[in-house]
Amino acid sequence: KAGVTQTPRYLIKTRGQQVTLSCSPISGHRSVSWYQQTPGQGLQFLFEYFSETQRNKGNFPGRFSGRQFSNSRSEMNVSTLELGDSALYLCASSRGAASQETQYFGPGTRLLVL
Amino acid sequence: DAKTTQPPSMDCAEGRAANLPCNHSTISGNEYVYWYRQIHSQGPQYIIHGLKNNETNEMASLIITEDRKSSTLILPHATLRDTAVYYCIVRVGTNAGKSTFGDGTTLTVKP
Repeated sequence: KAGVTQTPRYLIKTRGQQVTLSCSPISGHRSVSWYQQTPGQGLQFLFEYFSETQRNKGNFPGRFSGRQFSNSRSEMNVSTLELGDSALYLCASSRGAASQETQYFGPGTRLLVL
Repeated sequence: DAKTTQPPSMDCAEGRAANLPCNHSTISGNEYVYWYRQIHSQGPQYIIHGLKNNETNEMASLIITEDRKSSTLILPHATLRDTAVYYCIVRVGTNAGKSTFGDGTTLTVKP
């Protein structure tokens, strides 16, 4: 079974631009979560989607948004990029949202904001 | 979700067992203990999880104390490829998306 895939793997943007990252979960998984990882802050939860609905949200500004499609694929958008948005963005999928879940992570998208 | 405490770093000789401790003294009755590892800033890799009982899979064993306030991840025969940052997290299943990863333990396996 294929794992979680994320595209693109690397991205360079400039301040003020916007970016869209994509995540394809493991087949059959309906929940997708997004995380930001930086050397200073570690791995921080952004949001979780399940059946096209946002279930949980972390403490990030409104510039960070996401959505999930009917095929469970998810996109994350960051508008008006800031230097501090440079990070590894990780996506994780899990089977369902009702009981104990194991999250499986993708390889991440490394974003550099200049 | 409960907070976890792990030592920042540990060394282990290749071929020996690596025992990674984790304290989670504020764990609730319905929170699971999960272990992940991350190699070279790749995505975290799931290792094992448990609620009360000890668990074992092809990668590792998880020992949870009877009071559930701490746990130990055991890699029975560490190899150089096990060098990674190991994260212990506790979370409620229904809030899986809110997993909070601490700083983890950097395990260095030495030849």
